[in-house]
Amino acid sequence: DGGITQSPKYLFRKEGQNVTLSCEQNLNHDAMYWYRQDPGQGLRLIYYSQIVNDFQKGDIAEGYSVSREKKESFPLTVTSAQKNPTAFYLCASSPQGEVNEQFFGPGTRLTVL
Amino acid sequence: GQNIDQPTEMTATEGAIVQINCTYQTSGFNGLFWYQQHAGEAPTFLSYNVLDGLEEKGRFSSFLSRSKGYSYLLLKELQMKDSASYLCAPLDSNYQLIWGAGTKLIIKP
Repeated sequence: DGGITQSPKYLFRKEGQNVTLSCEQNLNHDAMYWYRQDPGQGLRLIYYSQIVNDFQKGDIAEGYSVSREKKESFPLTVTSAQKNPTAFYLCASSPQGEVNEQFFGPGTRLTVL
Repeated sequence: GQNIDQPTEMTATEGAIVQINCTYQTSGFNGLFWYQQHAGEAPTFLSYNVLDGLEEKGRFSSFLSRSKGYSYLLLKELQMKDSASYLCAPLDSNYQLIWGAGTKLIIKP
């Protein structure tokens, strides 16, 4: 079955610790995205990548970092510099091209204590 | 700036019809997506409109008016499983999706 996986579903960390959220896709999509979703707000773009070894900052990149060493994988690190890291994090991918629907993973709910 | 406006919450009755409106202001426009998102889950694609008019897909239809910066999602024969949030997301001039906060639709028996 093709799809996008994110793990874990729920993650708890202490304040001041870095944490890495995984995102893997086997859809052979070129583009991958990380979003953050907070209650009552729309999805906000953190980082995106349109090709391996290249990525761009989104609207709220501060306090986050990513890598794209493989086409299938786009991990997101939430660093201690992120002031309000508790949120629902969604990874998505889309085929090459400017207008394509994005396919989403199940999300990771991060709680920083 | 870029702005998406949708009602925060709507309530409808099982079997009825509901229309969810979305107005948008974006830097350029390359079409508009509608997604459905059940609580705690990932959004799933419903429709994409780039030309003015109505696109029908089963019980769901989506309408676009580019000149008015307006779209709506029409849901017919409502079922309990349609209880979810509906997200309006236009594509701007850089082909980036601009997401609205979503409309939470509550279906009552």
